[in-house]
Order: sequence, then C-alpha cells, then structure tokens
Amino acid sequence: DAKTTQPPSMDCAEGRAANLPCNHSTISGNEYVYWYRQIHSQGPQYIIHGLKNNETNEMASLIITEDRKSSTLILPHATLRDTAVYYCIVRRFGNTGKLIFGQGTTLQVKP
Amino acid sequence: DTEVTQTPKHLVMGMTNKKSLKCEQHMGHRAMYWYKQKAKKPPELMFVYSYEKLSINESVPSRFSPECPNSSLLNLHLHALQPEDSALYLCASSLGTGGRDTEAFFGQGTRLTVV
Repeated sequence: DAKTTQPPSMDCAEGRAANLPCNHSTISGNEYVYWYRQIHSQGPQYIIHGLKNNETNEMASLIITEDRKSSTLILPHATLRDTAVYYCIVRRFGNTGKLIFGQGTTLQVKP
Repeated sequence: DTEVTQTPKHLVMGMTNKKSLKCEQHMGHRAMYWYKQKAKKPPELMFVYSYEKLSINESVPSRFSPECPNSSLLNLHLHALQPEDSALYLCASSLGTGGRDTEAFFGQGTRLTVV
C-alpha cells in the first residue's frame, strides 16, 4: 500500500473549517484513501473514504486531487470535540484487510 | 448495534501470569483485527481474522496467541509478557477484508500494564 505524508500538527479556531492535507504521491489506481481519527484514549473512528471523486458525509468532506497524489479532509465547522489525531491511510482494494496507520496529524481546535 | 466491545478496559499482569483479552461485535462482520498501540504512536496491526481463520500475523511473538471461537468473538491470550508489551490493545471489525466496504469499527481498547 502507498505511503502517506501528513503534517505532524495543526491548529484550528473553533467554528472555522479545518483542512487537513495528506500527500500520497505513490498511490496506484486501485488504492482508496481512508481517513480515521483518534480522540485521546479512545479507539480510532472511521471518518470517510474515497477513490477519485470527492466525497461528503455527515462528518466531513474528502477532496482528492485529479492526479490523486494528494487529498484534503475538511471538517466544515470544527468544534473542541474534533481535537484528535487524524490518520490518512491508503488502502488497496482487495488487500486482505491491512489497515496501516501512519503518524497522523494532531489537530488542536482552540476556542 | 455498531459497537465493538472490549473487556477488560484495564489490566495489570505480572510477567508469569496468563490472561486473555476479549472482543465482541454483533454487526455480522466477518473480519476482525488486533492492534497494539504504544503511547504517542499510531496503532500497529498484529493479527487479522477473516471468516474465523487467521489470515495475517504480522510476525507477532508467540507470547501473544489470538483465537476466534466464532464470528462474533475474538480473544487475545497473553502469556509470559514483558514490561515492554505494556500498551493499548485495540480490537476492530469490518464487513470484509477486501471489498469496498471495509470501514473498520474499533473498540475502546484494553490498557495493559505488565509489571
């Protein structure tokens, strides 16, 4: 599975949009981009995933560039409860179940 | 029910003890996972079960022994652990392992301390 690169930390003001970037320049055609987050002392939580089209759900939006080499997770109105480590994971369709976490981005939402 | 339940939440064990961690889900998922997470590090995959059969062992030492008695339950048997095995142990499940719907649901973990 392709490797991902994320900034180690980011800050965001409460109520503003949080835009979390992820670089996956070696992604191949059958690899999906997944985002999870882990709030302190809890298990990781699935947020969203996509292949090439932009995706939106009740939690977030995922914007994938046309060349698929990078993506951005958008939390439209960040709250203090969104403070967490956000993991961008590239996962191959049919890859026997491996979900490999990188170092992630620690998002701190500030009042 | 979209929960993965892990018990116990906390466990302290000596290096000569034998203990087991338990994980349960009732979502009809056929894939279950064990991860280990050290402090301030990302989760590391240990084992994957698919349809109750062990499909991936990430070169985990034999003092960790997984077991999947049925499609809803996953155990991790611990024996002769070392203090460096102290960590948060996370269980997860997903509908399958290879299709598009591989969103994984995680439990809250068991925080293990080996003394």
